[in-house]
Amino acid sequence: NAGVTQTPKFRILKIGQSMTLQCTQDMNHNYMYWYRQDPGMGLKLIYYSVGAGITDKGEVPNGYNVSRSTTEDFPLRLELAAPSQTSVYFCASIPRGDNQPQHFGDGTRLSIL
Amino acid sequence: AQSVAQPEDQVNVAEGNPLTVKCTYSVSGNPYLFWYVQYPNRGLQFLLKYITGDNLVKGSYGFEAEFNKSQTSFHLKKPSALVSDSALYFCAVRVSLYNTDKLIFGTGTRLQVFP
Repeated sequence: NAGVTQTPKFRILKIGQSMTLQCTQDMNHNYMYWYRQDPGMGLKLIYYSVGAGITDKGEVPNGYNVSRSTTEDFPLRLELAAPSQTSVYFCASIPRGDNQPQHFGDGTRLSIL
Repeated sequence: AQSVAQPEDQVNVAEGNPLTVKCTYSVSGNPYLFWYVQYPNRGLQFLLKYITGDNLVKGSYGFEAEFNKSQTSFHLKKPSALVSDSALYFCAVRVSLYNTDKLIFGTGTRLQVFP
């Protein structure tokens, strides 16, 4: 099993450009999450999904969009990149069930210049 | 509001000495608590969790954590630190509301183990 796979690993964008961060998991997990990690700030939840076709906002959703057309994939879209979106983005998943730990991808390091 | 606090940005320990990384929480109801570790350029890896039962929870790589309900704490411990334990450690609490199931993370504590 590959677990949670994120692509790309690194990306530099210009202000106003758009891009999609890809996340896929092969563990048939129902719940998927997108976080951003900024120095000294821990992880902030951007969006999450409890299953295909269902998404909801987390703590910091502004400037982002998500979709969940399949169980495996949970892409994160930046429509108009801004310098404040420079961060490291992590995707995670858990199976349905009580208190299972989240499985994390290795992250996408994004810089907006 | 549900929250997790890690009061120390960094903890420095000499190799072979015991280590403690502190975590306190604020939740309504029974707390479901987790510790994760992050190595450079990697995602978070699960170390251990407390759901119910014994207050001392044992996890991966020789780590353990002590749940203290009266002090609302869940400190991470290891009897003898290794240089390879140097990493960023996150405490988290699980929040389950209606159709949601998510983790709230602390701000992280950097553990530095010196030879």
